[in-house]
Amino acid sequence: DGGITQSPKYLFRKEGQNVTLSCEQNLNHDAMYWYRQDPGQGLRLIYYSQIVNDFQKGDIAEGYSVSREKKESFPLTVTSAQKNPTAFYLCASQGGGGASEQFFGPGTRLTVL
Amino acid sequence: QQQVKQSPQSLIVQKGGISIINCAYENTAFDYFPWYQQFPGKGPALLIAIRPDVSEKKEGRFTISFNKSAKQFSLHIMDSQPGDSATYFCAASTNAGKSTFGDGTTLTVKP
Repeated sequence: DGGITQSPKYLFRKEGQNVTLSCEQNLNHDAMYWYRQDPGQGLRLIYYSQIVNDFQKGDIAEGYSVSREKKESFPLTVTSAQKNPTAFYLCASQGGGGASEQFFGPGTRLTVL
Repeated sequence: QQQVKQSPQSLIVQKGGISIINCAYENTAFDYFPWYQQFPGKGPALLIAIRPDVSEKKEGRFTISFNKSAKQFSLHIMDSQPGDSATYFCAASTNAGKSTFGDGTTLTVKP
């Protein structure tokens, strides 16, 4: 079964803690993305990576960090510097180069207590 | 600066009716225009997509109409069903691959 997985599905964090969201894909895609989704808003790009060991900031990167050590994995760390981290986080991957479909994972809902 | 503007924010349609969602873009370098469907608590999934060399694409009950000169494109859902109730996002991307998304439209189809 090819696809993209995210874990955990729900995550609770105390203020001041860092947490890491997992994203794994077995689609052999080069590009991977992290988005944040808030109620009534669209998808806002946090970070993206088009190749292993390289990544770029998106529109709302402050308070987040990523790594891309393996093609299959693109974990997102939400740091204590992120002022309002409660949101639904979506990971996506894209293959084929250029403009094409993005495949999304099921999402992680992060709640700060 | 929002590069893709989507309307309406919410839409209520009777079963069997036509649902129409519109998007407008600014960047003429965009060359791929997908629509994604998202159910509550799930990730979005591609519904239908179009490239600017055609003006219309139809897949079953779903049709994209594309107007390159006006920089607008729209999703038409014919014979709307309660199972179509979801949030729909338009998007646009360039050859670099990164996508810009609209703010989404919440569609409710009443039985």
